[in-house]
Amino acid sequence: SQTIHQWPATLVQPVGSPLSLECTVEGTSNPNLYWYRQAAGRGLQLLFYSVGIGQISSEVPQNLSASRPQDRQFILSSKKLLLSDSGFYLCACQGFLEETQYFGPGTRLLVL
Amino acid sequence: EDQVTQSPEALRLQEGESSSLNCSYTVSGLRGLFWYRQDPGKGPEFLFTLYSAGEEKEKERLKATLTKKESFLHITAPKPEDSATYLCAVHSVQGAQKLVFGQGTRLTINP
Repeated sequence: SQTIHQWPATLVQPVGSPLSLECTVEGTSNPNLYWYRQAAGRGLQLLFYSVGIGQISSEVPQNLSASRPQDRQFILSSKKLLLSDSGFYLCACQGFLEETQYFGPGTRLLVL
Repeated sequence: EDQVTQSPEALRLQEGESSSLNCSYTVSGLRGLFWYRQDPGKGPEFLFTLYSAGEEKEKERLKATLTKKESFLHITAPKPEDSATYLCAVHSVQGAQKLVFGQGTRLTINP
């Protein structure tokens, strides 16, 4: 079975600072990878997804970007954080030819 | 556009009081409907996948059912540890590799 790692678990950053969140996956090859954001008490908003190395699809225009430098590594970045970037960021993995997405433990980001 | 609506937004029950959560969906063609459980501060935990109308799946005190327009998550004789937010999501034929999530139902079971 697959295991999804995210770090850091919690992050407090000032407005205008850069961001790098990392997600790594074990136990599967050639997965689809996803970044979601969840605002407090709300549903999941899909930010980016990737079906392979270097292949990134963006779902919402914003100051965030994503990269997939390796098969099982997915990175969420920003050059300058906004207050509105605060939230709970979740990485998800869908195994090759599988239907189900499995989620990591999440990173709570607070921008002050 | 694919849409998922969950109701109620919040539900408070006494221990042992059975109830159901609703997930209504509109999709171009359903490939799968997913139920997740999410505890505060944690990532969603996969519960069930349903693929076709009439399908049912069970796990402990939970049973998920599916029709052509909605899914129900039935909770029988719940315990306080069943308290969580329950999320519903759909994967449509035209949705590529993406899921569309509902806003969730926050369930509280009082002892």
